[in-house]
Amino acid sequence: SQQGEEDPQALSIQEGENATMNCSYKTSINNLQWYRQNSGRGLVHLILIRSNEREKHSGRLRVTLDTSKKSSSLLITASRAADTASYFCATDAWGGGNKLTFGTGTQLKVEL
Amino acid sequence: KAGVTQTPRYLIKTRGQQVTLSCSPISGHRSVSWYQQTPGQGLQFLFEYFSETQRNKGNFPGRFSGRQFSNSRSEMNVSTLELGDSALYLCASSERDSLYGYTFGSGTRLTVV
Repeated sequence: SQQGEEDPQALSIQEGENATMNCSYKTSINNLQWYRQNSGRGLVHLILIRSNEREKHSGRLRVTLDTSKKSSSLLITASRAADTASYFCATDAWGGGNKLTFGTGTQLKVEL
Repeated sequence: KAGVTQTPRYLIKTRGQQVTLSCSPISGHRSVSWYQQTPGQGLQFLFEYFSETQRNKGNFPGRFSGRQFSNSRSEMNVSTLELGDSALYLCASSERDSLYGYTFGSGTRLTVV
């Protein structure tokens, strides 16, 4: 079973708008990662945030982590049609041994 | 730098048969993990190998097995296939552990009929 829940399950926005996705998890973590998946293909690693970090940026991506609330958010700014994909958070739990536990995913659709 | 290569891309098997999937990690990556993705259960961890040793295993029956070779290439095997084994099987490689992030292959889509 999956540890994480993502919210919303689906998100539809216009090109140029910002997209925010949220992830909640259940146990203490070593790090949290975000991945993108296009149409049932392989996952693409977007960004990793360690448990002792609170915010991280990479290009148009901004990730926050609140370990007290066991939650994270991914913000994509100035979205493009090419950002249309499913986004997953994945956690590596303390003592989990490099086993990623994935959330349920958010399906993002960016319309022209 | 070549990515993670999974073969075959698509596979159709009959119930009761067995199947072997292959994964070639990025050169220099010694950790290889396998995940199963289904619409109902989402992405689930199968196992992880590092330097030919299984470091971690998920909650799957013994019909699912894997191994890693000295060149870091990995195979996973599913015996006595069931309809519920139909899924996208994804392989991921990392230099050492999760702190390096994982690079995923495009997956093998297995259909059991």
